[in-house]
Amino acid sequence: AQKVTQAQTEISVVEKEDVTLDCVYETRDTTYYLFWYKQPPSGELVFLIRRNSFDEQNEISGRYSWNFQKSTSSFNFTITASQVVDSAVYFCALIPDSNYQLIWGAGTKLIIKP
Amino acid sequence: NAGVTQTPKFQVLKTGQSMTLQCAQDMNHNSMYWYRQDPGMGLRLIYYSASEGTTDKGEVPNGYNVSRLNKREFSLRLESAAPSQTSVYFCASSLIRVSSSGNTIYFGEGSWLTVV
Repeated sequence: AQKVTQAQTEISVVEKEDVTLDCVYETRDTTYYLFWYKQPPSGELVFLIRRNSFDEQNEISGRYSWNFQKSTSSFNFTITASQVVDSAVYFCALIPDSNYQLIWGAGTKLIIKP
Repeated sequence: NAGVTQTPKFQVLKTGQSMTLQCAQDMNHNSMYWYRQDPGMGLRLIYYSASEGTTDKGEVPNGYNVSRLNKREFSLRLESAAPSQTSVYFCASSLIRVSSSGNTIYFGEGSWLTVV
């Protein structure tokens, strides 16, 4: 099976707290690509990051960081010192190298309260 | 820097009516995609075009047709709209197969379609 699981349907935190969004994936491909997208209330999809399966380096971009662990098939996303503008639905997605299909998780709705 | 542009942004149709969603990208990408997003769900692929002149079915193609008019444009047609096709539609594009280094998929702003 090839799928992406985002077990957290909704997370609510107070501004300035750190928050981690979980993503667990399944694929039979040895080469694959993982993505995170942000969908703010306005509805557009904003690309955040792409990670190749052969590159397990974690990445930090400002307040955002990603932890990719092949051993647990996870690609978690952490927001440090969250802000109200981070409120959105966040999607984790997978593309196995064997096809074009972007396999999406169900999304995690993140609510940051002032 | 337009990226991926899709029109219309909002549309209300009556059951049985037809319409075409237009999509254009200005990034010289080879591959284009149409997705639908239903409430509380991730995106599902309707059709994709790996390159100009080719189209293939995705996960949920029934009730839709597509045309890759040229490298820039990829349209999605609903021949006889049904309430089950009420959804948000996203067009997307990528340079080539996602396996290319540094490649990713970029999305349009979405088209909100309601079929009554």
